[in-house]
Amino acid sequence: SQQGEEDPQALSIQEGENATMNCSYKTSINNLQWYRQNSGRGLVHLILIRSNEREKHSGRLRVTLDTSKKSSSLLITASRAADTASYFCATKRDDKIIFGKGTRLHILP
Amino acid sequence: NAGVTQTPKFQVLKTGQSMTLQCAQDMNHEYMSWYRQDPGMGLRLIHYSVGAGITDQGEVPNGYNVSRSTTEDFPLRLLSAAPSQTSVYFCASSLRPGVRGDTQYFGPGTRLTVL
Repeated sequence: SQQGEEDPQALSIQEGENATMNCSYKTSINNLQWYRQNSGRGLVHLILIRSNEREKHSGRLRVTLDTSKKSSSLLITASRAADTASYFCATKRDDKIIFGKGTRLHILP
Repeated sequence: NAGVTQTPKFQVLKTGQSMTLQCAQDMNHEYMSWYRQDPGMGLRLIHYSVGAGITDQGEVPNGYNVSRSTTEDFPLRLLSAAPSQTSVYFCASSLRPGVRGDTQYFGPGTRLTVL
């Protein structure tokens, strides 16, 4: 079974708005990562947060991690058309990196 | 650096045929993995390797074999293809297991259809 589950499955917002997607997981983890996938292509790493960190920023991205709730959120601020993609969380436990099913984000012009 | 390369890009097989999907990386990464991606299912881990000579099973290993004789290469073998193995296959690599080395670099994928 997959470790992470993203929520919502799909999200449409206006350009310039903020986008928030969530990831819940089942077991303890070493770290959690977020990846982006443009249609039909390989995944691109966005950000990694360690299990002992609570928040991390990278440009327009903000990631939070709540290990007590086994959840993480990815916030994309001031969205752009180029942010249209699928976003996946990936959790690492021991040597396995397991992905969730992803959130499809569509930025409307 | 070419990064992570995968061949072929597309492949059509008949049920029962066998084939090998190739994956290579030129970044001297210790960790390599194979995922399959199906609509609505995200990516599922098939097999992974933490270094040459070491492989282990992921979430969905049945029907697939792997080996890691060199650091650079991590081929995925389909022993007897089945329609359920129709999918897009991604290979990924990362520097080494551990917090700092866990960023995975993905190949462009192989689209496999089994008739």
